[in-house]
Amino acid sequence: EAGVAQSPRYKIIEKRQSVAFWCNPISGHATLYWYQQILGQGPKLLIQFQNNGVVDDSQLPKDRFSAERLKGVDSTLKIQPAKLEDSAVYLCASSLAGTSGSYEQYFGPGTRLTVT
Amino acid sequence: GENVEQHPSTLSVQEGDSAVIKCTYSDSASNYFPWYKQELGKGPQLIIDIRSNVGEKKDQRIAVTLNKTAKHFSLHITETQPEDSAVYFCAASPNDMRFGAGTRLTVKP
Repeated sequence: EAGVAQSPRYKIIEKRQSVAFWCNPISGHATLYWYQQILGQGPKLLIQFQNNGVVDDSQLPKDRFSAERLKGVDSTLKIQPAKLEDSAVYLCASSLAGTSGSYEQYFGPGTRLTVT
Repeated sequence: GENVEQHPSTLSVQEGDSAVIKCTYSDSASNYFPWYKQELGKGPQLIIDIRSNVGEKKDQRIAVTLNKTAKHFSLHITETQPEDSAVYFCAASPNDMRFGAGTRLTVKP
């Protein structure tokens, strides 16, 4: 079974530029998550989708971050404009079902973003 | 919201010894407690999990224990091997998953 795919793996941009990350979840997984992992910390949930609807985006900085999951499969996360403090690894995860967070989540390899 | 604390932040053991990592959580509604292993340059990998209706779960050399009354849970790795070296994260979930800060485990050959 193929895992969660993410691209690009690495991205370097200057502050105030925009960037987009792509995620393809495990086939059949209805729930998709985007996490931000700052160096030396645990992942922090940014947004959770159930199919193509948003379940939780309470920790998403909506003034600069946006995400969509059209057709309930792939998802993109965008940052516009980027700030230095956005430097982090952006992880995508998926789970089979459920909105309670109590289902096993499987992570992709992440995209390492460096903002200079 | 949920707050998860993890200790120690670093742990060094000799190959063959046991390693124990402990986490506490704050939200009594949390009912799912996974543990993840993260190697350099990779995403977190689920290694074991436990639900609130169970006190202990074991899978070969790894085990997890849960004390709901005290709101803490622990990861136990026995007969450690160099390939166990990684960063380990605990998490707790009433709804959204909250992660601990991680423990860097080093197993010395």
